Amino acid sequence: DTAVSQTPKYLVTQMGNDKSIKCEQNLGHDTMYWYKQDSKKFLKIMFSYNNKELIINETVPNRFSPKSPDKAHLNLHINSLELGDSAVYFCASRPGTTYNSPLHFGNGTRLTVT
Amino acid sequence: TQLLEQSPQFLSIQEGENLTVYCNSSSVFSSLQWYRQEPGEGPVLLVTVVTGGEVKKLKRLTFQFGDARKDSSLHITAAQTGDTGLYLCAGPFQGAQKLVFGQGTRLTINP
Repeated sequence: DTAVSQTPKYLVTQMGNDKSIKCEQNLGHDTMYWYKQDSKKFLKIMFSYNNKELIINETVPNRFSPKSPDKAHLNLHINSLELGDSAVYFCASRPGTTYNSPLHFGNGTRLTVT
Repeated sequence: TQLLEQSPQFLSIQEGENLTVYCNSSSVFSSLQWYRQEPGEGPVLLVTVVTGGEVKKLKRLTFQFGDARKDSSLHITAAQTGDTGLYLCAGPFQGAQKLVFGQGTRLTINP
């Protein structure tokens, strides 16, 4: 199946821990993103990579570090987790960055920090 | 302040009714996209509108892009329980590298 897949689906951890979320797309897209969806369902862009190069870095704490080993993968590592990091994190890819190019989302990782 | 404001934020109606939800901005967008998100899943693209005044139909869903390309609407005719979900509009920003989202309309269709 062609898709954007991210793991794990659920992640429950304690404050102060370090965790990673993995994302892979087999759609052949050049551009990948991380979005954060808060409890009110608002989707906020965090990072974007185009062909392994960082092109968007929103005002995200530097505890969040994305890594793109190749254009099909974009992982998110989070250090020193805080309660406020609890949210659903979505990976997405896009065939290009033209104005009408749509996003293809994974099914999300629900992160709960206790 | 959000670039895209969606209204209403919540809407609950009976099956068979018609409804319209809105996506408004003070900025001009080169295009707007509508997505639907179901619980436990990522948003899925429904449609992209590109030309001011454009109307696109997807079965019982009708999407319109405002003449000035600052707003869009989604009209659902004879709503069904399967239409329940979170409807999000999104538009390109900063040279189209970013897609920014509205806060969504949570639609519930009751049987």
